[in-house]
Parts: sequence; C-alpha cells; structure tokens
Amino acid sequence: EAQVTQNPRYLITVTGKKLTVTCSQNMNHEYMSWYRQDPGLGLRQIYYSMNVEVTDKGDVPEGYKVSRKEKRNFPLILESPSPNQTSLYFCASSLRSGFPDTQYFGPGTRLTVL
Amino acid sequence: AQSVTQPDIHITVSEGASLELRCNYSYGATPYLFWYVQSPGQGLQLLLKYFSGDTLVQGIKGFEAEFKRSQSSFNLRKPSVHWSDAAEYFCAVDPYSSNTGKLIFGQGTTLQVKP
Repeated sequence: EAQVTQNPRYLITVTGKKLTVTCSQNMNHEYMSWYRQDPGLGLRQIYYSMNVEVTDKGDVPEGYKVSRKEKRNFPLILESPSPNQTSLYFCASSLRSGFPDTQYFGPGTRLTVL
Repeated sequence: AQSVTQPDIHITVSEGASLELRCNYSYGATPYLFWYVQSPGQGLQLLLKYFSGDTLVQGIKGFEAEFKRSQSSFNLRKPSVHWSDAAEYFCAVDPYSSNTGKLIFGQGTTLQVKP
C-alpha cells in the first residue's frame, strides 16, 4: 500500500532532550516536507526537500533540523526541544518538485514538550 | 502576501442536510487548489484538487468544489451530509511561483454533524 509513515505517533518529552521523528514513504517520491499544525493557524511548513541531499527551510524552521540521505526517508530532528514546539507534526511527500502535485500526508505525530 | 481564508471556524449541520464550506484565497497567478479532510486522530486525506479545466471538480466521498476566479473562491459542497463526515476540513493553495512545493493552508473548518 502506498503510504507515508511516521514514528512515533505520540511522544511526551522534556525540555532539552533531543528527539527524532522519522518519516518514510514508499512511493519513490522526490519531494518531502514537514509541517506543524497548531490550533487556529492551520499547517505551516517547517522544512522541505526537493530530492536526496537537497533540503531547505520553510516558514517556521527555527529549532528544527532535517536530513535527506535516502530518497524514502526524511527525519525531523529537534536538538533541544522547547515547550513552544508542542504541536502536531505531519510529514508529506509528492512525486516531484518544481511542479504542482498532490501531496500525501502521514498520520501525524503528536509531540508534547514539558 | 499569499493567504487562504476559511471564514467559518466551526459549522454544525444536521445529517442529511446540504453542506458548503467556504474558502477564499489571495494569490496573483493561476492557483492550484486543494481540499483536505482530517478525521479525529487521523492524517490529512485529499478530497479533491483543481489545477485547470472544468471549474467544478468532483472528489471522493461525494464532495465537489467549484473554482470561481472572479470571487477568488474554492468552496466545498456536499448535497447530503453523513455522520461520518464530521471532521476538520482544510483548504490549501499551492503557490507554484514560490518553487518550494509549499502548501498554504487555511485555518480549517470543524464540521459537526447532528443526528
């Protein structure tokens, strides 16, 4: 089944403890992206990747890192999480970048930083 | 600045009634428009999209949307709502000119369905 998977689905952590949220897609998509969803704000893009080894900042990149060493994986790294990063995170992918295309979303990761 | 507005934060309709969710966008060029649905505890599922051509587009689950360039709108409709349609709905625009692949989302509309 074609899908975007994220792990973990739920995570409670404490301020300053490094964490990684994994994202994987099995559709051979070039483009991958991370969004965060906050009440009243919709979804905002954190980082995106046009292809392997090509990443760039979105609208709200502060406090996050990403890497794209393989086409299928796009992990989101929080080096020193803070309470304002408590949010619902979505990974998305689409077939190719540079062209309007349908983005497919993962199930989401709900992160709480205490 | 490019933006998407969903004027209704929360809507309640009775089961079997018709539904219209509003979406307005601010974007200079030809927009690429999407509606996604997020059921409780679930990810976002694409309902329908508009890239070009016929301005009335059909989607999954009996939904349709109409693109009206003159009104900068892309409203979502369903003739008869089912209890399972209760969810949060997001309108989104792909500002292709940004070349980031980024979708700009509206704030979302929560749909409640009364029995």
